[in-house]
Amino acid sequence: DAGVIQSPRHEVTEMGQEVTLRCKPISGHNSLFWYRQTMMRGLELLIYFNNNVPIDDSGMPEDRFSAKMPNASFSTLKIQPSEPRDSAVYFCASSLYRGDTEAFFGQGTRLTVV
Amino acid sequence: AQSVTQLGSHVSVSEGALVLLRCNYSSSVPPYLFWYVQYPNQGLQLLLKYTSAATLVKGINDFEAEFKKSETSFHLTKPSAHMSDAAEYFCAVRPYGGATNKLIFGTGTLLAVQP
Repeated sequence: DAGVIQSPRHEVTEMGQEVTLRCKPISGHNSLFWYRQTMMRGLELLIYFNNNVPIDDSGMPEDRFSAKMPNASFSTLKIQPSEPRDSAVYFCASSLYRGDTEAFFGQGTRLTVV
Repeated sequence: AQSVTQLGSHVSVSEGALVLLRCNYSSSVPPYLFWYVQYPNQGLQLLLKYTSAATLVKGINDFEAEFKKSETSFHLTKPSAHMSDAAEYFCAVRPYGGATNKLIFGTGTLLAVQP
């Protein structure tokens, strides 16, 4: 398996623009997580899905952020409108829906909002 | 809510010295615990995990961690540091049983290895 695939790897956008980050989880995994990593706040869980259903979105910072998982092999994280403080590395991770299994991470998307 | 605390955001050791990175969890029921490593500009990789099968867990690259319920700890150790161990290390927790498999990370410890 190719692992968790995220695209794009880097994104530079202007403030106010819409940004869409994409994730393809590992085949057979039924849990998917979106994290944001910054120097100030560390690794924050934004939202996670089990069997394509959003379970906990309490980490989503504002209504400007939304996430979808239309099927088991694809998820998006959208920011509209983007702001400079959204600049961070966004990670997607997937796992089996079992507490004793580890999550596998993608390489991340480095987002810069100017 | 369950959480983990990593004491020491920066740790520096000499090459060949013992590595000790600290992690304490807060939970009334022992959770599942994980250690991940992140190299610059990369995603996180699993080093090892505790799933209640054994309290001393061995992972990759000679890392190991011991689960101590009485101390609510899961500290990561390596007998002899190598230059290639320089990275950021994260402890993570997942609740045991229950309806959630939420995975929560600590704030990370940046390990520097001096020649």
